[in-house]
Amino acid sequence: QQQVRQSPQSLTVWEGETAILNCSYEDSTFDYFPWYHQFPGESPALLIAIRPVSNKKEDGRFTIFFNKREKKFSLHIADSQPGDSATYFCAARRTGNYKYVFGAGTRLKVIA
Amino acid sequence: EAAVTQSPRNKVAVTGGKVTLSCNQTNNHNNMYWYRQDTGHGLRLIHYSYGAGSTEKGDIPDGYKASRPSQENFSLILELATPSQTSVYFCASGAGTYEQYFGPGTRLTVL
Repeated sequence: QQQVRQSPQSLTVWEGETAILNCSYEDSTFDYFPWYHQFPGESPALLIAIRPVSNKKEDGRFTIFFNKREKKFSLHIADSQPGDSATYFCAARRTGNYKYVFGAGTRLKVIA
Repeated sequence: EAAVTQSPRNKVAVTGGKVTLSCNQTNNHNNMYWYRQDTGHGLRLIHYSYGAGSTEKGDIPDGYKASRPSQENFSLILELATPSQTSVYFCASGAGTYEQYFGPGTRLTVL
């Protein structure tokens, strides 16, 4: 079963636009929600993360919006750059253990 | 910065053969993980460990064993490799805080 659903599967935006990547979950025991990015041929790396005590987390051009009631969270990449082209994974971790569940990924392409 | 290394980086195995993938981390992290990555599935957790001597089943453990002989080392063992286990395997470590650090990956092909 897919515990963390991610959409869209792929996304193309123009340079300077805001890219929006979405995730949803069902398990209320998740307490930590990171986003990873992965460039071709490389390993995933943490980009930004949020805990449910907050509904927004910003780091430069990257912002997570979190809706606990609807069990949804999204990554907004403002002023997208061609260098942002990568695959982005959302994930969730349960309270009390250190298991992570990943979404299937969004392949982002930013066109100059 | 966390350092996680994996060996081998590439491996070709035959069906029915035994494969061992090794992972080493030098940051004294308690938690280590093995994932496989396949197109359309993201990263799926195979086994993980809370420390030396411990192994826990992840979400897709069938066909895999794990071994954590020390704080630094975590191995993934395929006793009888099958073509369906062809994938890219990532090891990761974490300290109990929230970040995971991933190794460079091992590309395994089972013929």
